[in-house]
Amino acid sequence: ELKVEQNPLFLSMQEGKNYTIYCNYSTTSDRLYWYRQDPGKSLESLFVLLSNGAVKQEGRLMASLDTKARLSTLHITAAVHDLSATYFCAVDGGETSGSRLTFGEGTQLTVNP
Amino acid sequence: DVKVTQSSRYLVKRTGEKVFLECVQDMDHENMFWYRQDPGLGLRLIYFSYDVKMKEKGDIPEGYSVSREKKERFSLILESASTNQTSMYLCASSKPETGFWGYTFGSGTRLTVV
Repeated sequence: ELKVEQNPLFLSMQEGKNYTIYCNYSTTSDRLYWYRQDPGKSLESLFVLLSNGAVKQEGRLMASLDTKARLSTLHITAAVHDLSATYFCAVDGGETSGSRLTFGEGTQLTVNP
Repeated sequence: DVKVTQSSRYLVKRTGEKVFLECVQDMDHENMFWYRQDPGLGLRLIYFSYDVKMKEKGDIPEGYSVSREKKERFSLILESASTNQTSMYLCASSKPETGFWGYTFGSGTRLTVV
């Protein structure tokens, strides 16, 4: 059974600081997705990582994938208040799971002035 | 630009009522999913469907059923609503291979059972 673990689950940081959210998963996969959820809203796609070594950047967020380590990171550079949200990683379990995504627990990020 | 539409954003129902949550997608996706989201528990898969008239149980199907009579519509049914089904319900759809697109989520329905 595929398990996906994120850490930290809660992150409070100051504006201007850098930080990394980690996503570990338990079985082989080369497809990983990051989503953002604002309070009371649905999930919005942020990044799609489809191969080992993939790196995607959008503004102050950068995501990477290391399939050998079964690890993805979401790096936040010079955080701003607008980045406050919950971030989910999700892993495609492949054919054995019917290409279902398994989600991590989510990381609730709060950026303080 | 609307892709996955859930019919209600907020719903209040009484215990014992039969509740229908509707989800419609306009992307011609084969796969559709129903999740519930609760604080501290993340997203939990209730049911999913890979094709019309097909359904598969997810991780927490008890107390729920689904219907997929048309490709674009996937309904979640609470046969007899209970207070522990108060939650945020999220519908999602995808192509058969998640690939470049992953899932597309609807805006969610916050259900309160009183």
